Amino acid sequence: ETGVTQTPRHLVMGMTNKKSLKCEQHLGHNAMYWYKQSAKKPLELMFVYNFKEQTENNSVPSRFSPECPNSSHLFLHLHTLQPEDSALYLCASSQGSTVSGNTIYFGEGSWLTVV
Amino acid sequence: QKEVEQNSGPLSVPEGAIASLNCTYSDRVSQSFFWYRQYSGKSPELIMSIYSNGDKEDGRFTAQLNKASQYVSLLIRDSQPSDSATYLCAVTPGGSGNTGKLIFGQGTTLQVKP
Repeated sequence: ETGVTQTPRHLVMGMTNKKSLKCEQHLGHNAMYWYKQSAKKPLELMFVYNFKEQTENNSVPSRFSPECPNSSHLFLHLHTLQPEDSALYLCASSQGSTVSGNTIYFGEGSWLTVV
Repeated sequence: QKEVEQNSGPLSVPEGAIASLNCTYSDRVSQSFFWYRQYSGKSPELIMSIYSNGDKEDGRFTAQLNKASQYVSLLIRDSQPSDSATYLCAVTPGGSGNTGKLIFGQGTTLQVKP
């Protein structure tokens, strides 16, 4: 139990499907993140939200659309993905800036396979 | 391009030995440094954080930071087979403000053999 819950844990979708990944944090944190982890590559930051406002979009293609309705919930809406988008998508949260000593905590991840 | 570099390994050590994991970073003004452990098929979990030069010890783990050399390391004493995992070095880039974002290395795979 990490305090950051992701659903679904596994998802297989076709290239024309629309699906969503959900993340919920129970830690009272103010910042939430989406990271992507592909085989043989470092974890890549996708999006950052602070107090529900998007503060970072790391040049992510528009087929990935984040939504943060409140500080505890984060979604990643998926549409017309490509097979190369298959990866582990990790949600994370933190109280605030890591410079201030705050730590990022990860959820268990959602394994996405695009066929 | 701000980067964090690690040797991907695998690093193989016998049970009971000291495992030494190294990381270099390119952003000279980075301020916060983290080591995460990731078991196969699982998400990363925080092992250590370090913010100032020197050593920081927590149980069998010691993190070492040298900002002048842009180098951070993790020592694992009395290595156990359960320590076998991928260890990720992460750095807060300079000027990141309140976003708290991290730049990760690709990780070093550690194998501890009984």
